[in-house]
Amino acid sequence: DAMVIQNPRYQVTQFGKPVTLSCSQTLNHNVMYWYQQKSSQAPKLLFHYYDKDFNNEADTPDNFQSRRPNTSFCFLDIRSPGLGDAAMYLCATTQRGAYGYTFGSGTRLTVV
Amino acid sequence: GESVGLHLPTLSVQEGDNSIINCAYSNSASDYFIWYKQESGKGPQFIIDIRSNMDKRQGQRVTVLLNKTVKHLSLQIAATQPGDSAVYFCAENSGGSNYKLTFGKGTLLTVNP
Repeated sequence: DAMVIQNPRYQVTQFGKPVTLSCSQTLNHNVMYWYQQKSSQAPKLLFHYYDKDFNNEADTPDNFQSRRPNTSFCFLDIRSPGLGDAAMYLCATTQRGAYGYTFGSGTRLTVV
Repeated sequence: GESVGLHLPTLSVQEGDNSIINCAYSNSASDYFIWYKQESGKGPQFIIDIRSNMDKRQGQRVTVLLNKTVKHLSLQIAATQPGDSAVYFCAENSGGSNYKLTFGKGTLLTVNP
Protein backbone atom coordinates (compact mmCIF):
# COMPACT_ATOMS: atom_id res chain seq x y z
CA ASP A 1 0.00 0.00 0.00
CA ALA A 2 2.87 2.35 -0.82
CA MET A 3 1.59 5.91 -0.96
CA VAL A 4 4.67 7.59 -2.42
CA ILE A 5 6.26 5.44 -5.06
CA GLN A 6 9.61 6.07 -6.64
CA ASN A 7 10.78 4.31 -9.74
CA PRO A 8 13.16 2.79 -10.30
CA ARG A 9 14.74 1.85 -6.95
CA TYR A 10 18.15 1.67 -8.59
CA GLN A 11 19.22 3.56 -11.68
CA VAL A 12 22.54 3.38 -13.46
CA THR A 13 23.30 6.03 -16.04
CA GLN A 14 26.27 7.03 -18.09
CA PHE A 15 28.23 10.18 -17.46
CA GLY A 16 26.55 12.98 -19.41
CA LYS A 17 23.51 10.94 -20.44
CA PRO A 18 20.18 12.51 -19.43
CA VAL A 19 18.23 10.57 -16.87
CA THR A 20 14.75 10.94 -15.40
CA LEU A 21 13.59 9.74 -12.00
CA SER A 22 9.91 9.48 -11.25
CA CYS A 23 7.71 9.87 -8.22
CA SER A 24 4.01 9.17 -7.92
CA GLN A 25 1.65 9.55 -5.00
CA THR A 26 -1.80 8.28 -4.14
CA LEU A 27 -2.36 10.78 -1.33
CA ASN A 28 -3.56 13.68 -3.48
CA HIS A 29 -1.14 15.95 -1.63
CA ASN A 30 -0.56 19.36 -3.14
CA VAL A 31 3.12 19.72 -2.18
CA MET A 32 5.86 17.49 -3.56
CA TYR A 33 9.57 17.64 -2.80
CA TRP A 34 12.78 16.30 -4.31
CA TYR A 35 15.81 15.73 -2.10
CA GLN A 36 19.33 14.59 -2.87
CA GLN A 37 21.07 12.52 -0.23
CA LYS A 38 24.71 11.59 -0.46
CA SER A 39 26.38 8.99 1.71
CA SER A 40 26.48 9.88 5.41
CA GLN A 41 24.79 13.22 4.78
CA ALA A 42 21.40 14.72 5.46
CA PRO A 43 18.86 14.94 2.64
CA LYS A 44 19.32 18.19 0.78
CA LEU A 45 16.27 19.91 -0.66
CA LEU A 46 16.56 20.51 -4.41
CA PHE A 47 13.11 21.97 -5.11
CA HIS A 48 9.47 21.61 -4.31
CA TYR A 49 6.10 22.19 -5.92
CA TYR A 50 3.02 23.65 -4.35
CA ASP A 51 0.46 22.52 -6.89
CA LYS A 52 2.08 23.72 -10.12
CA ASP A 53 4.10 26.47 -8.47
CA PHE A 54 7.76 25.53 -8.69
CA ASN A 55 10.18 26.53 -5.92
CA ASN A 56 13.83 26.07 -6.68
CA GLU A 57 16.50 26.18 -3.99
CA ALA A 58 19.11 28.84 -4.67
CA ASP A 59 21.97 26.36 -4.67
CA THR A 60 20.34 23.69 -6.84
CA PRO A 61 22.45 23.31 -10.00
CA ASP A 62 20.85 24.12 -13.35
CA ASN A 63 21.62 20.55 -14.33
CA PHE A 64 18.62 19.52 -12.24
CA GLN A 65 15.14 20.18 -13.54
CA SER A 66 11.71 19.05 -12.46
CA ARG A 67 8.29 18.58 -13.96
CA ARG A 68 4.92 18.05 -12.35
CA PRO A 69 2.37 17.29 -15.06
CA ASN A 70 -0.43 16.58 -12.57
CA THR A 71 -1.04 16.18 -8.85
CA SER A 72 0.06 12.57 -8.77
CA PHE A 73 3.36 12.67 -10.62
CA CYS A 74 6.61 14.54 -10.28
CA PHE A 75 9.80 13.96 -12.25
CA LEU A 76 13.41 14.81 -11.63
CA ASP A 77 15.45 15.33 -14.78
CA ILE A 78 19.22 15.40 -14.64
CA ARG A 79 20.34 16.80 -17.95
CA SER A 80 24.01 15.82 -17.88
CA PRO A 81 24.80 13.62 -14.88
CA GLY A 82 28.26 13.91 -13.46
CA LEU A 83 30.01 11.55 -11.07
CA GLY A 84 29.17 13.95 -8.25
CA ASP A 85 25.46 13.46 -8.88
CA ALA A 86 25.56 9.87 -7.69
CA ALA A 87 23.29 9.82 -4.69
CA MET A 88 19.98 8.68 -3.28
CA TYR A 89 17.12 10.83 -4.56
CA LEU A 90 14.12 11.08 -2.30
CA CYS A 91 10.62 12.26 -3.11
CA ALA A 92 8.24 13.45 -0.39
CA THR A 93 4.75 14.89 -0.20
CA THR A 94 2.63 16.91 2.17
CA GLN A 95 -0.71 18.62 2.16
CA ARG A 96 -0.57 22.33 2.73
CA GLY A 97 -2.52 23.22 5.83
CA ALA A 98 -1.83 19.87 7.42
CA TYR A 99 1.17 18.48 9.21
CA GLY A 100 3.20 15.46 8.26
CA TYR A 101 5.30 14.45 5.32
CA THR A 102 5.40 11.14 3.49
CA PHE A 103 8.60 9.92 1.88
CA GLY A 104 9.16 7.43 -0.87
CA SER A 105 11.79 4.73 -0.63
CA GLY A 106 14.17 6.64 -2.86
CA THR A 107 16.04 6.00 -6.09
CA ARG A 108 19.73 5.29 -5.83
CA LEU A 109 21.49 6.77 -8.83
CA THR A 110 24.87 5.50 -9.98
CA VAL A 111 26.81 7.38 -12.65
CA VAL A 112 29.38 5.41 -14.62
CA GLY B 1 21.05 27.66 6.69
CA GLU B 2 21.05 23.99 5.96
CA SER B 3 23.71 21.90 7.66
CA VAL B 4 25.39 19.18 5.67
CA GLY B 5 28.13 17.18 7.29
CA LEU B 6 30.66 14.77 5.89
CA HIS B 7 30.81 12.62 9.01
CA LEU B 8 27.84 11.64 11.07
CA PRO B 9 27.98 12.01 14.83
CA THR B 10 27.64 8.61 16.42
CA LEU B 11 26.01 7.32 19.56
CA SER B 12 26.61 3.83 20.84
CA VAL B 13 24.42 2.40 23.60
CA GLN B 14 23.75 -0.92 25.25
CA GLU B 15 20.47 -2.69 24.62
CA GLY B 16 17.97 -1.65 27.25
CA ASP B 17 19.58 1.69 27.98
CA ASN B 18 17.92 4.99 27.18
CA SER B 19 19.23 7.02 24.23
CA ILE B 20 19.25 10.75 23.78
CA ILE B 21 19.90 12.24 20.36
CA ASN B 22 20.32 15.97 20.01
CA CYS B 23 19.76 18.39 17.18
CA ALA B 24 20.35 22.10 16.75
CA TYR B 25 18.02 23.73 14.25
CA SER B 26 18.72 26.85 12.29
CA ASN B 27 15.58 28.89 11.80
CA SER B 28 13.92 30.59 14.75
CA ALA B 29 10.77 30.98 12.62
CA SER B 30 10.35 27.23 12.15
CA ASP B 31 7.04 26.09 13.53
CA TYR B 32 7.07 22.33 13.13
CA PHE B 33 9.71 19.72 13.78
CA ILE B 34 10.00 16.05 12.98
CA TRP B 35 12.32 13.23 13.92
CA TYR B 36 13.04 10.63 11.26
CA LYS B 37 14.72 7.26 11.41
CA GLN B 38 16.59 6.12 8.33
CA GLU B 39 17.90 2.62 7.83
CA SER B 40 20.50 1.85 5.23
CA GLY B 41 19.14 2.06 1.69
CA LYS B 42 15.69 3.21 2.77
CA GLY B 43 13.79 6.46 2.87
CA PRO B 44 13.26 8.41 6.11
CA GLN B 45 10.67 6.91 8.41
CA PHE B 46 8.56 9.19 10.61
CA ILE B 47 9.07 8.75 14.35
CA ILE B 48 7.51 11.70 16.12
CA ASP B 49 6.74 15.35 15.55
CA ILE B 50 6.19 18.47 17.61
CA ARG B 51 4.80 21.91 16.93
CA SER B 52 6.48 25.05 18.14
CA ASN B 53 3.72 25.78 20.65
CA MET B 54 4.76 22.69 22.62
CA ASP B 55 7.95 21.82 24.47
CA LYS B 56 7.43 18.10 24.95
CA ARG B 57 5.60 15.31 23.21
CA GLN B 58 5.59 11.62 23.98
CA GLY B 59 5.02 8.61 21.81
CA GLN B 60 5.57 4.95 22.28
CA ARG B 61 9.08 4.65 23.79
CA VAL B 62 10.02 8.02 22.31
CA THR B 63 9.89 11.57 23.63
CA VAL B 64 10.73 14.75 21.80
CA LEU B 65 11.79 17.87 23.67
CA LEU B 66 11.88 21.31 22.10
CA ASN B 67 13.80 24.26 23.51
CA LYS B 68 13.06 27.26 21.33
CA THR B 69 15.25 29.57 23.37
CA VAL B 70 18.41 27.81 22.26
CA LYS B 71 16.93 26.25 19.09
CA HIS B 72 17.49 22.74 20.31
CA LEU B 73 15.57 19.55 19.76
CA SER B 74 16.15 16.18 21.37
CA LEU B 75 14.86 12.68 20.86
CA GLN B 76 14.77 10.30 23.78
CA ILE B 77 14.37 6.58 23.14
CA ALA B 78 13.52 4.46 26.14
CA ALA B 79 14.79 0.89 26.51
CA THR B 80 16.72 1.02 23.25
CA GLN B 81 16.56 -2.12 21.14
CA PRO B 82 18.83 -3.45 18.38
CA GLY B 83 16.11 -2.60 15.88
CA ASP B 84 16.55 1.05 16.80
CA SER B 85 19.99 1.07 15.19
CA ALA B 86 19.80 3.58 12.35
CA VAL B 87 20.58 7.16 11.42
CA TYR B 88 18.28 9.69 13.07
CA PHE B 89 17.56 13.09 11.52
CA CYS B 90 15.69 16.04 12.85
CA ALA B 91 13.86 18.16 10.31
CA GLU B 92 12.21 21.56 10.52
CA ASN B 93 9.50 23.23 8.55
CA SER B 94 11.60 26.30 8.01
CA GLY B 95 9.63 27.96 5.28
CA GLY B 96 6.54 28.98 7.15
CA SER B 97 3.65 28.90 4.70
CA ASN B 98 5.99 27.55 2.01
CA TYR B 99 6.20 24.25 3.87
CA LYS B 100 9.88 23.92 3.20
CA LEU B 101 11.24 20.92 5.10
CA THR B 102 14.96 21.00 5.78
CA PHE B 103 17.03 18.41 7.57
CA GLY B 104 19.62 18.74 10.28
CA LYS B 105 22.78 16.69 10.53
CA GLY B 106 21.99 13.08 11.35
CA THR B 107 23.20 10.91 14.20
CA LEU B 108 24.15 7.28 13.79
CA LEU B 109 22.74 5.23 16.66
CA THR B 110 24.28 1.82 17.26
CA VAL B 111 22.70 -0.49 19.81
CA ASN B 112 24.94 -3.17 21.20
CA PRO B 113 23.27 -6.40 22.35
